[in-house]
Amino acid sequence: SYELTQPPSVSVSPGQTASITCSGDKLGDKYTCWYQQKPGQSPVVVIYENNKRPSGIPERFSGSNSGNIATLAISGTQPMDEADYYCQAWDSSTVAFGGGTKLTVL
Amino acid sequence: QVQLQESGPGLVKPSETLSLTCTVSGDSISGYYWSWMRQPPGKGLEWIGYIYYSERTKYNPSLKSRLSISGDTSKHQFSLKLSSVTAADTAVYYCARANLALFKDAFDIWGQGTMVTVSS
Repeated sequence: SYELTQPPSVSVSPGQTASITCSGDKLGDKYTCWYQQKPGQSPVVVIYENNKRPSGIPERFSGSNSGNIATLAISGTQPMDEADYYCQAWDSSTVAFGGGTKLTVL
Repeated sequence: QVQLQESGPGLVKPSETLSLTCTVSGDSISGYYWSWMRQPPGKGLEWIGYIYYSERTKYNPSLKSRLSISGDTSKHQFSLKLSSVTAADTAVYYCARANLALFKDAFDIWGQGTMVTVSS
């Protein structure tokens, strides 16, 4: 099965840029999306098709995907952005999630 | 707007079958991909499987031998059955929709999730 790897945790100071990576074999050849999940809540899409934002997602969320690495960037990080983030991609009609990254804003 | 709601027993005994239903309001299950995911306490998301075109299915290879997903278009529901459960199947179970014509990769609508505990 296809594997996606994320760092378990990332810390960022308020107002700075947070970057969360997701690595997988030839990931750049696939579409990657990102979910934000806050405690006790269901995941919410923040980036789809590598770099597109759904309606209602702030512009400070952006994404990129090239080679074997996809990246979620949050510019001007706010305390409300503290959450778990998951990357996800499709491979041979199956779905793969990364292990998740806990973003701490401190 | 489209809403998904999971339902089913919150407690299942080891070796028995876990059965959950997702009721879809505001949409038909005839289109799109309708999926089940789960999340063990304190852990990450795991894709379980999906149903599309009301009857075609695709399963996570690691669960395939114990898994069945079916749909009932008349009731706007799709269901999950996972047999021979163990404590490792304890998790919050989510149902979700992928509209690949809109988002080529993402599950855009999720249910609120339902906690299932496997214990005697």
